[in-house]
Amino acid sequence: ELKVEQNPLFLSMQEGKNYTIYCNYSTTSDRLYWYRQDPGKSLESLFVLLSNGAVKQEGRLMASLDTKARLSTLHITAAVHDLSATYFCAVDIGDDKIIFGKGTRLHILP
Amino acid sequence: DADVTQTPRNRITKTGKRIMLECSQTKGHDRMYWYRQDPGLGLRLIYYSFDVKDINKGEISDGYSVSRQAQAKFSLSLESAIPNQTALYFCATSDERPGLAGEGPETQYFGPGTRLLVL
Repeated sequence: ELKVEQNPLFLSMQEGKNYTIYCNYSTTSDRLYWYRQDPGKSLESLFVLLSNGAVKQEGRLMASLDTKARLSTLHITAAVHDLSATYFCAVDIGDDKIIFGKGTRLHILP
Repeated sequence: DADVTQTPRNRITKTGKRIMLECSQTKGHDRMYWYRQDPGLGLRLIYYSFDVKDINKGEISDGYSVSRQAQAKFSLSLESAIPNQTALYFCATSDERPGLAGEGPETQYFGPGTRLLVL
């Protein structure tokens, strides 16, 4: 069964701390996306990871992809309140179908 | 102006009614998608279209139909709405990377969503 699993699903953390969100998937893929969704809003693209070992960084967020382990991580450095949102990973499983994880709801406490 | 628009933004309907959700885009993308989002379940793909003549079923197409009227327009219909179709519906578009046809879509651009309540 195809699965895209995010861990954790809920995360409450203090400002200034570091943390990592994990995205595991169960089928072969070399293309993975990270999106951000604010409450009541649409999804906004954060990163597109296109190959094994890909690493991308934007501000306090850094995403990486290990296709052999079927794992992507989204690392948050020195979290700030503005990063509070729900983060989704999505995997291209072929035939141009994209499967989303259930999302990680991140709440950063001031 | 928004690149991907959806109408209506909110809709309440009754069981058994036919309803159409519309999506328009000005990005010039060939690929368009319909997803539904339910709390705790992420987004699930309903239908997707690679061009006007190419429409494909996604994970959860039962109870839904689509129409690609033009490159810029992709409509989702619920022929006979039922309460478990209450959800947030998103349209999205994407384009192939230039010069790399057939290697999968680039990032998707999402519309603002349509919140549907079926009573």
